[in-house]
Amino acid sequence: DAGITQSPRHKVTETGTPVTLRCHQTENHRYMYWYRQDPGHGLRLIHYSYGVKDTDKGEVSDGYSVSRSKTEDFLLTLESATSSQTSVYFCAISEPGTGAYEQYFGPGTRLTVT
Amino acid sequence: RKEVEQDPGPFNVPEGATVAFNCTYSNSASQSFFWYRQDCRKEPKLLMSVYSSGNEDGRFTAQLNRASQYISLLIRDSKLSDSATYLCVVNEAAGNKLTFGGGTRVLVKP
Repeated sequence: DAGITQSPRHKVTETGTPVTLRCHQTENHRYMYWYRQDPGHGLRLIHYSYGVKDTDKGEVSDGYSVSRSKTEDFLLTLESATSSQTSVYFCAISEPGTGAYEQYFGPGTRLTVT
Repeated sequence: RKEVEQDPGPFNVPEGATVAFNCTYSNSASQSFFWYRQDCRKEPKLLMSVYSSGNEDGRFTAQLNRASQYISLLIRDSKLSDSATYLCVVNEAAGNKLTFGGGTRVLVKP
């Protein structure tokens, strides 16, 4: 299994509070991604990073920000959590330089916003 | 129209039987195709890449039909452990972003 960890694994927070989720990899992969998964929507890309300090938006980026100060860490921040951000969040990594585009996923963070 | 569409199922399959299901994609410029497996409350895991010529990995066979823009997955001699949701995933020509289908749920029963 790819060396990807996510923390915390579970979190319950109140509406309006800031929340930061962490993704850590030991594979030295250049690309990192944040997805959310909700019933009826499948996996949707929030933000991704193609290198240290290089990030871009995905299809559902509103209300989220990211930072990547080191190759191994990619942080997702909910500036002011809302109930609509209750979801399961997955981090993924890839190294497309070899011509392979498959991504490998972390175990997920289950976030509940009350 | 969704970019990647799958029959959500569930496909109820007797143990030992064969099951097959498809996925359609809308972007004709799509370059790479994958099947992922996701168990309940777990992360998606890469099952296999799908090559133009079709490919097989043990009991699993994947096919790509570019003309009709669909990929398929066939599972032979189904095991109870094959029960999962199978995600069809497509990489478009630009960038390294993947588009996921909603998944097809397979339930293998004794």
